[in-house]
Amino acid sequence: DAGITQSPRHKVTETGTPVTLRCHQTENHRYMYWYRQDPGHGLRLIHYSYGVKDTDKGEVSDGYSVSRSKTEDFLLTLESATSSQTSVYFCAISEWTGTGGRNEQFFGPGTRLTVL
Amino acid sequence: GENVEQHPSTLSVQEGDSAVIKCTYSDSASNYFPWYKQELGKGPQLIIDIRSNVGEKKDQRIAVTLNKTAKHFSLHITETQPEDSAVYFCAADNNAGNMLTFGGGTRLMVKP
Repeated sequence: DAGITQSPRHKVTETGTPVTLRCHQTENHRYMYWYRQDPGHGLRLIHYSYGVKDTDKGEVSDGYSVSRSKTEDFLLTLESATSSQTSVYFCAISEWTGTGGRNEQFFGPGTRLTVL
Repeated sequence: GENVEQHPSTLSVQEGDSAVIKCTYSDSASNYFPWYKQELGKGPQLIIDIRSNVGEKKDQRIAVTLNKTAKHFSLHITETQPEDSAVYFCAADNNAGNMLTFGGGTRLMVKP
């Protein structure tokens, strides 16, 4: 298995509180991604990073921010959590080599977040 | 942007039968189409993928077919076993290749 860990694995929080989820990799892959998984919606991209301090928005980025200060760590922050952000969050990594390459992504074990 | 639709959302088959899951995509510039299997409580894992210059790819009991003209691709699992029970996701990359868009998932149940 690819060396990806996510912390915490489970979290219950209250509406309006800040929450930070951490993704840590030991593969030295350049690309890192945050997805949320909700029934019927598959996996939807929140934000991704293509290098240290290089990030970009995905399909459902509103209410989320990210940071990547080291190759191995990618943080997802919910500045003020809402009940609509209750979901399972997955981090993924990829060593995509550029146009024409296979963007094979490896997923972490996920974090289940409940916002009450 | 890319839009990927996946059908059916649930599929129940008898052990030993075949299972077929179908996906369509919208962006003709997509070139890479992976399939992921997600077991309960785990992250998705890649099981097979295909690039647009190939029409079919097979790996033991699993095969994927791609029709670029019609913009659809399918996963075929033959001789299904109970351990094939899981949620399966298809995906397509964007025109830059650096992102994947996923289908809504198919819950496959293989009855012994």
